[in-house]
Amino acid sequence: GAVVSQHPSRVICKSGTSVKIECRSLDFQATTMFWYRQFPKKSLMLMATSNEGSKATYEQGVEKDKFLINHASLTLSTLTVTSAHPEDSSFYICSAKTSGSAYEQYFGPGTRLTVT
Amino acid sequence: AQSVTQPDIHITVSEGASLELRCNYSYGATPYLFWYVQSPGQGLQLLLKYFSGDTLVQGIKGFEAEFKRSQSSFNLRKPSVHWSDAAEYFCAVAFGNEKLTFGTGTRLTIIP
Repeated sequence: GAVVSQHPSRVICKSGTSVKIECRSLDFQATTMFWYRQFPKKSLMLMATSNEGSKATYEQGVEKDKFLINHASLTLSTLTVTSAHPEDSSFYICSAKTSGSAYEQYFGPGTRLTVT
Repeated sequence: AQSVTQPDIHITVSEGASLELRCNYSYGATPYLFWYVQSPGQGLQLLLKYFSGDTLVQGIKGFEAEFKRSQSSFNLRKPSVHWSDAAEYFCAVAFGNEKLTFGTGTRLTIIP
């Protein structure tokens, strides 16, 4: 149980285009989803927290107009990287939690984004 | 500022040897503590967690961790590693809210 999927697993896009990454909780309802960014040989950095039906809360330094997050249902959250640039190339990871699982997050396998 | 430190970037151990991965945190109170493992192509998997109570916590895959308040540490241990344990290990803490703060990770290599 508690499986989170991400799609696509890897994507290459051209500079200036937008790309959408999906995060789905497959066997549970996720009241809260988190989006992280992981740089090579670095830790996971929390980008934003989204609750179903509400606007996402972004961490300091994260551009909300660049990284659009939508959490339209209890099983799906999307991250859209708008007008992507090479510096946006990274590994993006989502996680999800239920209202009953205090602090325990279930992680997706991640999406490797390369902007050329 | 609140922080999590994993002092060892890379550790190499022989298969069958014991393992200890270090984790220290900086916070005024006891946080909620976690260890995750990340394997290529797979999501982070929770190995174990500590919220309160017994300071020696048992997890999955034969791992355990001990919370030491006096040292602000939560080190991960395994008595005998297997080749399949090669992965990246992350210590994480939650400081009073649901957000996780991760350490920089320790890459574990197993040699035959």
